[in-house]
Amino acid sequence: DAGVIQSPRHEVTEMGQEVTLRCKPISGHNSLFWYRQTMMRGLELLIYFNNNVPIDDSGMPEDRFSAKMPNASFSTLKIQPSEPRDSAVYFCASSPRQGQSTDTQYFGPGTRLTVL
Amino acid sequence: RKEVEQDPGPFNVPEGATVAFNCTYSNSASQSFFWYRQDCRKEPKLLMSVYSSGNEDGRFTAQLNRASQYISLLIRDSKLSDSATYLCVVTFSGGYNKLIFGAGTRLAVHP
Repeated sequence: DAGVIQSPRHEVTEMGQEVTLRCKPISGHNSLFWYRQTMMRGLELLIYFNNNVPIDDSGMPEDRFSAKMPNASFSTLKIQPSEPRDSAVYFCASSPRQGQSTDTQYFGPGTRLTVL
Repeated sequence: RKEVEQDPGPFNVPEGATVAFNCTYSNSASQSFFWYRQDCRKEPKLLMSVYSSGNEDGRFTAQLNRASQYISLLIRDSKLSDSATYLCVVTFSGGYNKLIFGAGTRLAVHP
């Protein structure tokens, strides 16, 4: 079975450029999460979608970050303009139901972003 | 104070050793508890859920003490393949499956 798919796996860009990260959740999963992982701050939730609707975006750092989920099988996280402090690994995760507390979240392989 | 605190380690142990990791959480209303495992440069994966009664999965035993807001993971008979970072995770009681991750404890098992 295909797991969560993310692209690109690695992205190197220059400060000021727009970056778009992509995620395809596991088919049939209703909940999608975007996380960021850094050495300093660990793994942090950025935004949570349920049935394609953003439910909690309190973790989105600032207006430079935006996320969309146009349909059940695709989501994007966009950074515009990018800054060196955005360098991190960005994970997408999905879970099967309405975000029940006992649901397992399945993580994608991550996108390693480096902003020069 | 961090919501989930772990000893960062690293724990360096020989094969066959027993090792225990501890974790404390600050939100007394947290509902669910997990241990995730993350290999170097890989994604986190669920290792096991943690229940108040304690639970075991092969060489792994997890315990939860709600009164003390304390979670533990015990690994018996360590294998080289157990080398990874172990993340303590609690769910935030905000109505959905919001996972709050600890910073992780790194384990290195050597021959």
